[in-house]
Amino acid sequence: NAGVTQTPKFRVLKTGQSMTLLCAQDMNHEYMYWYRQDPGMGLRLIHYSVGEGTTAKGEVPDGYNVSRLKKQNFLLGLESAAPSQTSVYFCASRRDPSTDTQYFGPGTRLTVL
Amino acid sequence: GQSLEQPSEVTAVEGAIVQINCTYQTSGFYGLSWYQQHDGGAPTFLSYNALDGLEETGRFSSFLSRSDSYGYLLLQELQMKDSASYFCAVTKNRDDKIIFGKGTRLHILP
Repeated sequence: NAGVTQTPKFRVLKTGQSMTLLCAQDMNHEYMYWYRQDPGMGLRLIHYSVGEGTTAKGEVPDGYNVSRLKKQNFLLGLESAAPSQTSVYFCASRRDPSTDTQYFGPGTRLTVL
Repeated sequence: GQSLEQPSEVTAVEGAIVQINCTYQTSGFYGLSWYQQHDGGAPTFLSYNALDGLEETGRFSSFLSRSDSYGYLLLQELQMKDSASYFCAVTKNRDDKIIFGKGTRLHILP
């Protein structure tokens, strides 16, 4: 039981490049979330999903897209990376509405030059 | 708008008790959670309050007052390993987003 995993752990991009971050969970959780964490800013919600095939916008969705084609996977895409997207990205999952506990992945450190 | 306010830093002595406060102003409230994050690590869940009152989990307790839009995390018998950042988070609705505060950095002195 790996919990929540994120791929890759580190990545350096040039401005304008695209990439996809993968989050996978093996706990059969319904809800999944993408956050970004910047120094002094806490965790800011980018997008989230309350079930397979559904997605919704969070606090800072601009410049990102997501997909939840399979229940266990939640993908975060950057179509044209910008230096302002340099951050640590965390994925989290939550079993269902009956609980508020979120389980976080180890994070992806992304640098955009 | 919506906001969660918590102190940016708190310092306490090993073995003592410390309280980290969180006030929130959100359009919708379902519950208040607390998370711990060590440097370089991922946040981990500590505690959750949906109803007014105190919830105790070992050395950690969390309190909520819905009427005051206020909660706190209480850490007792502080240990050096408790040096970390602590985040409060609001679940706005049952099926909705979870919003985090900016975090409180806890420094523990020997």
